[in-house]
Amino acid sequence: DIQMTQSPSSLSASVGDKVTITCRASQSISTFLNWYQQKPGKAPKVLIYAASSLQTGVPSRFSGSGSGTDFTLTISSLQPEDFATYYCQQSYSIPYGFGQGTKVDIK
Amino acid sequence: QVQLVQSGGEVKKTGASMKVSCEASGYTFTAYGLSWVRQAPGQGLEWMGWISPYTGNANYAQNLQDRVTMTTDTSTNTAYMELRSLRSDDTAVYYCARGQYFFDYWGQGTLVTVSS
Repeated sequence: DIQMTQSPSSLSASVGDKVTITCRASQSISTFLNWYQQKPGKAPKVLIYAASSLQTGVPSRFSGSGSGTDFTLTISSLQPEDFATYYCQQSYSIPYGFGQGTKVDIK
Repeated sequence: QVQLVQSGGEVKKTGASMKVSCEASGYTFTAYGLSWVRQAPGQGLEWMGWISPYTGNANYAQNLQDRVTMTTDTSTNTAYMELRSLRSDDTAVYYCARGQYFFDYWGQGTLVTVSS
């Protein structure tokens, strides 16, 4: 199975900050990498698919990059509604596993 | 609008079985895969498997292979996920989600609590 490792596990940031979350795959997954946001008590929401494609309706302050084993989710200017947990997920091979999550909270 | 509406929460005894339903609307049911993801309390997301409503073929996570069955009913646009021989560590919120590779619409989640 492909292991997905996110870093950091948590971070504290202020409104307006640029935030970067990293996801590393245990083997190359090309660009088969997706990013989700989850708020407490809610279902996850897809932000980015295929490493860098912005899902319809997602604000442009979210962006994704990377290929192979190393990927990045960037929030260019953190907004109050962005405080949440973020997960990466590989869709290269079954099982389509998730990273352990990165919790973004208020500094 | 696309909606996935799941059945209500359940409390089950250890060793019992559970079956969660997921009724889809607002899109052509057979045109998209349907995946299941679970989340134990305070934990991360776990991919369980996916099914093609078009073919009925399913793929499961290896750690659940022996206990899980995913099915669909195209006459009612409903997907089902059955998990057998329940254990306490199966306590989780179970989500259905549209898509095979990435999941663009999600159900509201179904909390299943397993206790002895």
